Amino acid sequence: AQKITQTQPGMFVQEKEAVTLDCTYDTSDPSYGLFWYKQPSSGEMIFLIYQGSYDQQNATEGRYSLNFQKARKSANLVISASQLGDSAMYFCAMREGWDNNNDMRFGAGTRLTVKP
Amino acid sequence: DTAVSQTPKYLVTQMGNDKSIKCEQNLGHDTMYWYKQDSKKFLKIMFSYNNKELIINETVPNRFSPKSPDKAHLNLHINSLELGDSAVYFCASSQDRRGVMDEQYFGPGTRLTVT
Repeated sequence: AQKITQTQPGMFVQEKEAVTLDCTYDTSDPSYGLFWYKQPSSGEMIFLIYQGSYDQQNATEGRYSLNFQKARKSANLVISASQLGDSAMYFCAMREGWDNNNDMRFGAGTRLTVKP
Repeated sequence: DTAVSQTPKYLVTQMGNDKSIKCEQNLGHDTMYWYKQDSKKFLKIMFSYNNKELIINETVPNRFSPKSPDKAHLNLHINSLELGDSAVYFCASSQDRRGVMDEQYFGPGTRLTVT
């Protein structure tokens, strides 16, 4: 069963505007972590932000913030003040439990294009 | 300083050959991983490994085998390559801190093309 769902295959945003990339997840484990990664056209995977299931506040890292709605099982990534360099694939991922050997499951990704 | 490095970056080979991809991390991490990213960009875990345990995704053919000479290295050996093995392979690593959900750091990827 698909555990991570990213329903937006592609998104467009105007430079300097904010954009929200959707991610929903499915788990019955009370302990889990949610991660967002960026993959530019050069191919590397860059870690952006992390949200733990017990975290009381939404995670923020610079222009990235995570809109974590636990009851709805959603962990949307918000990018503020978009830049041309933000154009990339964005992946949401989840790991259940505290064992780092547990699989990190990735969503299908969203391709973000920032327009000048 | 590259945190997680992979060689080669590109690998073109013929069906039936055996090949290896090397991975090294200089982060002092305890756990290393191999992922496969297919042509539709879908990422799937193949293996996770620390000095205690190798966990294999049951869908990975046994033609694929990870080999770890030491904690900083996890190489991927592939026997009898098939056309369907063409993909980008990523190595990653993370700390293995108890009670902490550590992020994974990825290498630059190896694009394998089987002809």
